[in-house]
Amino acid sequence: EAGVVQSPRYKIIEKKQPVAFWCNPISGHNTLYWYRQNLGQGPELLIRYENEEAVDDSQLPKDRFSAERLKGVDSTLKIQPAELGDSAVYLCASSRTYNEQFFGPGTRLTVL
Amino acid sequence: GDSVTQMEGPVTLSEEAFLTINCTYTATGYPSLFWYVQYPGEGLQLLLKATKADDKGSNKGFEATYRKETTSFHLEKGSVQVSDSAVYFCALSDQDGGFKTIFGAGTRLFVKA
Repeated sequence: EAGVVQSPRYKIIEKKQPVAFWCNPISGHNTLYWYRQNLGQGPELLIRYENEEAVDDSQLPKDRFSAERLKGVDSTLKIQPAELGDSAVYLCASSRTYNEQFFGPGTRLTVL
Repeated sequence: GDSVTQMEGPVTLSEEAFLTINCTYTATGYPSLFWYVQYPGEGLQLLLKATKADDKGSNKGFEATYRKETTSFHLEKGSVQVSDSAVYFCALSDQDGGFKTIFGAGTRLFVKA
């Protein structure tokens, strides 16, 4: 089966600019996750969706970050405006059950 | 809250050496435990898992045993290969934490030929 698809793979922007990341999960996976991975650290959950519903967004900085998962399939994560500290790898993952998550390759964001 | 602590890297080994990467955790409930591996330029992949105490997860020659008494889940492999060079993440998922997955900081492994 096809894996989790993310785009773009790399993005370089100047601070205060907006940026968006896209994720297409594995077919049939109703749970979708967005993580942020800072250099030298493990992934940290930003938001988790069960179908269309965001069931855990407690770690999402809502002043500048937003996410949506229309129709319970694809998802978009947006940052507006971006700050220097947002430079990181943004990972999308999906799962059918709570236990095993499948990760995409990530989007490496550099904010200048 | 829940947390995962794993040994700092990088770990550098020669091919065919024995590998141990230590991982300990704190959790309020009875978590499931995981090891993920991240090869260069790729996303994280589940390597192995254990869902209850004394379970042993194994895959590709790697294994780890869920030790509730020591709250540990150390990763081991008897003979590493150059292709095992990657970053390894220990993680837990706890029902009491709403099944949120908590990752350790990762341990980078370099295997020399």
